[in-house]
Amino acid sequence: AQKITQTQPGMFVQEKEAVTLDCTYDTSDPSYGLFWYKQPSSGEMIFLIYQGSYDQQNATEGRYSLNFQKARKSANLVISASQLGDSAMYFCAIIRAGTASKLTFGTGTRLQVTL
Amino acid sequence: DTAVSQTPKYLVTQMGNDKSIKCEQNLGHDTMYWYKQDSKKFLKIMFSYNNKELIINETVPNRFSPKSPDKAHLNLHINSLELGDSAVYFCASSQTPTGDSYNQPQHFGDGTRLSIL
Repeated sequence: AQKITQTQPGMFVQEKEAVTLDCTYDTSDPSYGLFWYKQPSSGEMIFLIYQGSYDQQNATEGRYSLNFQKARKSANLVISASQLGDSAMYFCAIIRAGTASKLTFGTGTRLQVTL
Repeated sequence: DTAVSQTPKYLVTQMGNDKSIKCEQNLGHDTMYWYKQDSKKFLKIMFSYNNKELIINETVPNRFSPKSPDKAHLNLHINSLELGDSAVYFCASSQTPTGDSYNQPQHFGDGTRLSIL
């Protein structure tokens, strides 16, 4: 069963605008971690932001923030003030308890930033 | 300065051949991973080693054999390559999570693009 769902295969956003990339997850474990990674066209995987299931506050890292709604099992990535360099694939992933640090990825969202 | 380096970056070979991909990390992490990214960009874990011990082996054909000579290295050997093995293979490393905190991100290498002719 798919544990991470990213329903937006592609998104467009204008430069300087904010964009939200959706991610929902499925786990009954109380303890888990959620990650977002960026994959530019050059292919490397870049860690962006982490949210733990017990974290009281939403994670933020520079222009990236996580809209974590635990009851709804969603962990949406918000990118503020989009830049052309933000054009990339974005992957949401989960680590669940007892999975020996196995990251389970969603199918990704391709973000295109336009002028 | 490269944190997780894997070689080669590109590998083009014929069906039936045997090939290896090497991975090294200089982050002092104790866990290393191999992931496969298919043509639709879907990433799936293949193997994980913790301090040279295999801890994850996802239903991968036994033509794939990982080897970890020490905790800084994790190599992947593939025998009798098939067309379906064409993909990008990523090595990653992290520190083992402790307690209920999973805030140790996995750091990825740049990937090895394997193309089977």
